[in-house]
Amino acid sequence: AQSVTQPDARVTVSEGASLQLRCKYSYSGTPYLFWYVQYPRQGLQLLLKYYSGDPVVQGVNGFEAEFSKSNSSFHLRKASVHWSDSAVYFCALRRTGGYKVVFGSGTRLLVSP
Amino acid sequence: GPKVLQIPSHQIIDMGQMVTLNCDPVSNHLYFYWYKQILGQQMEFLVNFYNGKVMEKSKLFKDQFSVERPDGSYFTLKIQPTALEDSAVYFCASSLGTGGSDYTFGSGTRLLVI
Repeated sequence: AQSVTQPDARVTVSEGASLQLRCKYSYSGTPYLFWYVQYPRQGLQLLLKYYSGDPVVQGVNGFEAEFSKSNSSFHLRKASVHWSDSAVYFCALRRTGGYKVVFGSGTRLLVSP
Repeated sequence: GPKVLQIPSHQIIDMGQMVTLNCDPVSNHLYFYWYKQILGQQMEFLVNFYNGKVMEKSKLFKDQFSVERPDGSYFTLKIQPTALEDSAVYFCASSLGTGGSDYTFGSGTRLLVI
């Protein structure tokens, strides 16, 4: 079975600072990996996804993530956060040929002025 | 971009009554999903529907739950009868394919069972 762990329930960073949100996954094969963002009272929006190739993938709004097979990780990064980045971020996994996406528990990001 | 529409956005219902949540998926998408999110918690997979059939469901998809998409209309989640623990936000999603295909999520239906 596959699973996703986001060890940080809440992260607070100052506006303009850099950001890393951690994600670890468990899956024996090579998964599809996703990062989604959820703003209040809205559905999830895809930030980026990875399956193969360059382990650093670029997403929307300056976000990027780095896949590490050896560490079973897919951490999300941003060089300089903006107050509008405050939201809940979900890391997710889908196995090859699979139907469902398995989500982590989410990390609530608060960007302080 | 293309959107998934969910109707209604909010629903309050008495325990034991039936409720139907409606989802209008992206027009060319073939796979449809329901997820449940209890306040402040993660999204939990309920069910995946393709070609008129349930392809996969989780333990959360109780016998009181059913899904259908009659004649390409709304993709619906019906709960009959409802229980207090069914109170949650239910998100519909659709995708063109499996694997790396992107999900498009709706904004959710907030269901309160009283």
